[in-house]
Amino acid sequence: QVQLQESGPGLVKASETLSLTCTVSGDSISNYYWSWIRQPPGKGLEWIGYIYDTGTTNDNYSGTTNYNPSVKTRVTISVDTSKNQLSLKVSSVTAADAAVYYCARQSRPGDPPVFDYWGQGTLVTVSS
Amino acid sequence: DIVMTQSPLSLPVTPGEPASISCRSSQSLLHTNGYNYLNWYLQKPGQSPQLLIYLGSNRASGVPDRFSGSGSATDFTLKISRVEAEDVGVYYCMHVLQPPYTFGQGTKLEIK
Repeated sequence: QVQLQESGPGLVKASETLSLTCTVSGDSISNYYWSWIRQPPGKGLEWIGYIYDTGTTNDNYSGTTNYNPSVKTRVTISVDTSKNQLSLKVSSVTAADAAVYYCARQSRPGDPPVFDYWGQGTLVTVSS
Repeated sequence: DIVMTQSPLSLPVTPGEPASISCRSSQSLLHTNGYNYLNWYLQKPGQSPQLLIYLGSNRASGVPDRFSGSGSATDFTLKISRVEAEDVGVYYCMHVLQPPYTFGQGTKLEIK
């Protein structure tokens, strides 16, 4: 059974950096593309970006990331294959970054994105 | 970016009755491989979204067969043949043709 668990500070000050971690169990993080998605309170869903990283150099696509242009200049997604974790960093946060942040399993390489497993989400509030 | 537009935004339904949600995209979601890159998700109250339908018409594992997806190119429909109380929540369509992936605004299904 694949499980995803987000963690990180629930409160971030404006202009600082938001840092979240998603711990994956039940499967190797190296086998899939993984995404972060967020949802402002009472609003809809926004895809933030994805990553595929096997932690090795024998896969031409390993290390691939893609970010939503709406946040591209402020976002970094990375993977720690030794811990089976992915992380999200959003710099220079504003009130508009306040949301529930979800990590989700996107797809195997070469397969269309499905987002079949999601974490329970973690709420991030931005203080002034 | 591809814009996804859902209708209606609110859908009151009597249990046992059918329900239908429309999703339109600003560009064709038909991939060169012949599949439509359109997924449907349900977010039940207080929960994370869950995958219902992928590639336009394929039910995800464990999804009841009362849910069906259809459509092609820019017009898609999610149908529930007989609504049950457990189907309440917000339904989202999402295109996955190319990044940035985008969602529809959501359709809130409630029981009458």
